[in-house]
Amino acid sequence: AQKVTQAQTEISVVEKEDVTLDCVYETRDTTYYLFWYKQPPSGELVFLIRRNSFDEQNEISGRYSWNFQKSTSSFNFTITASQVVDSAVYFCALAYSGAGSYQLTFGKGTKLSVIP
Amino acid sequence: NAGVTQTPKFRVLKTGQSMTLLCAQDMNHEYMYWYRQDPGMGLRLIHYSVGEGTTAKGEVPDGYNVSRLKKQNFLLGLESAAPSQTSVYFCASRPSDTVPGELFFGEGSRLTVL
Repeated sequence: AQKVTQAQTEISVVEKEDVTLDCVYETRDTTYYLFWYKQPPSGELVFLIRRNSFDEQNEISGRYSWNFQKSTSSFNFTITASQVVDSAVYFCALAYSGAGSYQLTFGKGTKLSVIP
Repeated sequence: NAGVTQTPKFRVLKTGQSMTLLCAQDMNHEYMYWYRQDPGMGLRLIHYSVGEGTTAKGEVPDGYNVSRLKKQNFLLGLESAAPSQTSVYFCASRPSDTVPGELFFGEGSRLTVL
């Protein structure tokens, strides 16, 4: 079964602190893809990153970085020097091959509040 | 540059009423999806379509029907609404590439069933 677990339901940090959002996944597929999406208070869903199962290289994009570790089935997301605009719900998702096309299963989300 | 457009944005129904949510995309995407988002539950897939004239069930399909008569449109229907269907509904689309790329989401439709 495909499953994504985001154990942290809500996190609060003070502005400029670093914060890591955890994501643990389960899949039997050898080829799969992992995603992070951001949902700000306005409600839309914004794509942040995609990573495939063969590429364990960590990625950095500005203040955002992602740590993919197949050994622990984790794909964690770190925000460095957090800002108020980072306040949002963050979803981790797993794309797996099923019924002839890739399906996305989402975690339940982590609500991040950055306090000024 | 509209992307994915959902109508209506808000709707209040009484139990037993029917309604249709419309999703329209102007990116010529093959794949379209309907998700529902409930507090503490994340996004759950209701139905999806991999091309015009095709539909398939997702994780939580009961109580919903869908149709994809035109490539650009994906309709989600509730034949007899129930309070359990109170939710925010998101439509999404993506191209039919072999690697699952970014999903493009609509702004969501908030449905309340009394």
